[in-house]
Amino acid sequence: DAGVIQSPRHEVTEMGQEVTLRCKPISGHDYLFWYRQTMMRGLELLIYFNNNVPIDDSGMPEDRFSAKMPNASFSTLKIQPSEPRDSAVYFCASSFVSGGKAFFGQGTRLTVV
Amino acid sequence: GIQVEQSPPDLILQEGANSTLRCNFSDSVNNLQWFHQNPWGQLINLFYIPSGTKQNGRLSATTVATERYSLLYISSSQTTDSGVYFCAVGDNDYKLSFGAGTTVTVRA
Repeated sequence: DAGVIQSPRHEVTEMGQEVTLRCKPISGHDYLFWYRQTMMRGLELLIYFNNNVPIDDSGMPEDRFSAKMPNASFSTLKIQPSEPRDSAVYFCASSFVSGGKAFFGQGTRLTVV
Repeated sequence: GIQVEQSPPDLILQEGANSTLRCNFSDSVNNLQWFHQNPWGQLINLFYIPSGTKQNGRLSATTVATERYSLLYISSSQTTDSGVYFCAVGDNDYKLSFGAGTTVTVRA
């Protein structure tokens, strides 16, 4: 398996623009997680899905953030409108079972100017 | 949530040296994982180890859940071991809380 695949790897956008980050989990993994990494806050869980259903989105910082998983092989994290404080590295991870070993994608480095 | 403390925050090693990284956590856990974030930012899962001891090449890890700590051992360190090592714990299966990490620099 190719592992968790994220796109794009880098994104630079202007404040106020919509940003969409994409993730393809490992085939057969039922759990998908979105994390954000910043220098100030470290790695934070934003939201996670089980069998394509959002289970816990308590980590989503604001209503400007939304996530979907239309099928087992694809998820998106959208920020609309984006702000400079959203600049961070966004990781997607997947695991086979709840509480199982988590595998991370290579991340998307988002810069909002 | 569970508090995770990692020590030391920074570690500089000479190639070939051994080292121990520590992870303390504030409550009972049923999920503990160690990750290595390489200089390119990629997070690699090293161990899934809620209890007991595991070994993978030059790396090994031990978790003593009853005493709320885990140790990661690096033996015969190499420059490729440089990066940040994270401990992550979970108390309800799915939510992993990450520590602040230990930054390891291995010098040739």
